[in-house]
Amino acid sequence: DVKVTQSSRYLVKRTGEKVFLECVQDMDHENMFWYRQDPGLGLRLIYFSYDVKMKEKGDIPEGYSVSREKKERFSLILESASTNQTSMYLCASSSAGESSYNEQFFGPGTRLTVL
Amino acid sequence: AQTVTQSQPEMSVQEAETVTLSCTYDTSESNYYLFWYKQPPSRQMILVIRQEAYKQQNATENRFSVNFQKAAKSFSLKISDSQLGDTAMYFCAFMKGETSYDKVIFGPGTSLSVIP
Repeated sequence: DVKVTQSSRYLVKRTGEKVFLECVQDMDHENMFWYRQDPGLGLRLIYFSYDVKMKEKGDIPEGYSVSREKKERFSLILESASTNQTSMYLCASSSAGESSYNEQFFGPGTRLTVL
Repeated sequence: AQTVTQSQPEMSVQEAETVTLSCTYDTSESNYYLFWYKQPPSRQMILVIRQEAYKQQNATENRFSVNFQKAAKSFSLKISDSQLGDTAMYFCAFMKGETSYDKVIFGPGTSLSVIP
């Protein structure tokens, strides 16, 4: 089974802190994604990566950066956390293969609270 | 830009009954994929069912089936013989068919409660 893990289920940080959210997948997937999930808004794409050291902005990249130094790991960085970044953060991965059916596999999520 | 709408924020159904979740989308693309994802309480989101736009036949996965109306841009999910484990948030999603890393556009979700 595909497994996507995230470093923390719950995280509480102070305004202005630098925050790192880590995501690791074990299926050798090429594509990795970071979403934030807010009630009534569904999932919104922050950043994605289709290869090591490659990154592309999603719909809401402001205030975030990402890093992908290894294929299996994709990190989301909040340079200076703000209260409006309090949210659920979901990581996902998918294969680039034609047989992948474009399915994304999700991690359990990190609920971040910024005080 | 593509958009996905789910007009039912919350729904409930009696155990063993059938329920239909609605989804509409807006796109000018001719080739695309549609998905229903399920997010149980405090558990990981998983894919329920997938439909390729070029296929006229509606997708089916056990108790889950879709009614895909391409001209109407409608993609509803029918759950038959509802079970307590079907209680979850359900997200309808759209993806263009050009590359494997095309953005997936998610709807706002429908919270489904299955009542014993």
